[in-house]
Amino acid sequence: AIQLTQSPSSLSASVGDRVTITCRASQGISSALAWYQQKPGKAPKLLIYDASSLESGVPSRFSGSGSGTDFTLTISSLQPEDFATYYCQQFNNYPLTFGGGTKVEIK
Amino acid sequence: EVQLVESGGGLVQPGGSLRLSCAASGFTFSSYAMSWVRQAPGKGLEWVSAISGSGGSTYYADSVKGRFTISRDNSKNTLYLQMNSLRAEDTAVYYCAKISSTSWQEVSDDAFDIWGQGTMVTVSS
Repeated sequence: AIQLTQSPSSLSASVGDRVTITCRASQGISSALAWYQQKPGKAPKLLIYDASSLESGVPSRFSGSGSGTDFTLTISSLQPEDFATYYCQQFNNYPLTFGGGTKVEIK
Repeated sequence: EVQLVESGGGLVQPGGSLRLSCAASGFTFSSYAMSWVRQAPGKGLEWVSAISGSGGSTYYADSVKGRFTISRDNSKNTLYLQMNSLRAEDTAVYYCAKISSTSWQEVSDDAFDIWGQGTMVTVSS
């Protein structure tokens, strides 16, 4: 199975900061990567698919990049509602796998 | 409104069985592959199983293979997960999720664009 390693596992940031989360795959997955946001007690929400495509209704401050094994989720200017846990997920082949998550906390 | 609503969770003893359901609405259910994803308390997301639009093709995580069975009834717009031989490590919130690209015969590989609210399964004596 393809392993996804997210870093950092947690970070503290202030409103207005630029935040970058990375996801590394154990083997090449082309652009078959998605990013999700999850708030406590809620279901995950799709933010980015195909590594860099913004899901409809998601604010443009979220962006994704990368292909092959290295991927990045960037929040250009962190907003209060962005404090949450973020997961990457590969859909290049089954079994589908998720990264371990990155918790974004308020500094 | 596109919606997924899970039900069927609860407390079950180790070795017991449980069947989860996921009622879909707001989209052509049979046109999309569906999946189950779980999350143990305080832990990350774990993909469990997926099924094609027709129901004829399925995939399972190694951790549940041979114990769990995914199925669907397209006439009822409902997805199921039959869970047998349950273990303590199966304790989790179980989410159903819609795979974003259309699929009939094969299980499409794509992102999960719609999620249910989740149903809690607790395996304990």
